[in-house]
Amino acid sequence: SAVISQKPSRDICQRGTSLTIQCQVDSQVTMMFWYRQQPGQSLTLIATANQGSEATYESGFVIDKFPISRPNLTFSTLTVSNMSPEDSSIYLCSALGGADGYTFGSGTRLTVV
Amino acid sequence: QQQVKQSPQSLIVQKGGISIINCAYENTAFDYFPWYQQFPGKGPALLIAIRPDVSEKKEGRFTISFNKSAKQFSLHIMDSQPGDSATYFCAASMKGTSGSRLTFGEGTQLTVNP
Repeated sequence: SAVISQKPSRDICQRGTSLTIQCQVDSQVTMMFWYRQQPGQSLTLIATANQGSEATYESGFVIDKFPISRPNLTFSTLTVSNMSPEDSSIYLCSALGGADGYTFGSGTRLTVV
Repeated sequence: QQQVKQSPQSLIVQKGGISIINCAYENTAFDYFPWYQQFPGKGPALLIAIRPDVSEKKEGRFTISFNKSAKQFSLHIMDSQPGDSATYFCAASMKGTSGSRLTFGEGTQLTVNP
């Protein structure tokens, strides 16, 4: 199955700043996704990262707040822009490909102060 | 927009017991039903998955039972161990580019007491 490296693993950021999270997959995958997970809660899909085109965002998430890039079939970034304490959460990268289907990174634990 | 409902929210079992977690879905277009196990500080990891053409799938101590007519599926953990203590998520997805994303249940926090 694909192995996902996600970084940073955690960060503490000042409100009003932006953080870019990187997701690297060890093999080419057909689709990549970004999720948000509040501690103790389920995963909420932010967007599908499309290779070579604009990401597809779920209801409640917008490109200006969460710009996403996917320059090739193994890499994607998620930026959390103009952060507020409400953005404190765990952000997870996921990839679809290989025998195991969907694989997840270990997540980025973001705290906004 | 919750399309997969999971219960119970939390579950405590004794070592050696059977853990049962249930999920129900609404969208009949779903054709892939995985279960994920998540430990603190880690991302979800695929545990076992089933497609609707079979009613049961077993891998070691883990079994998925699937009831297509009732639109329900469940995870059974036999001989539960303290190391099984984690959060479990059911999920569903469907084929096609627009529908490939996973829809998750709310999660079940399982505690297995020694």
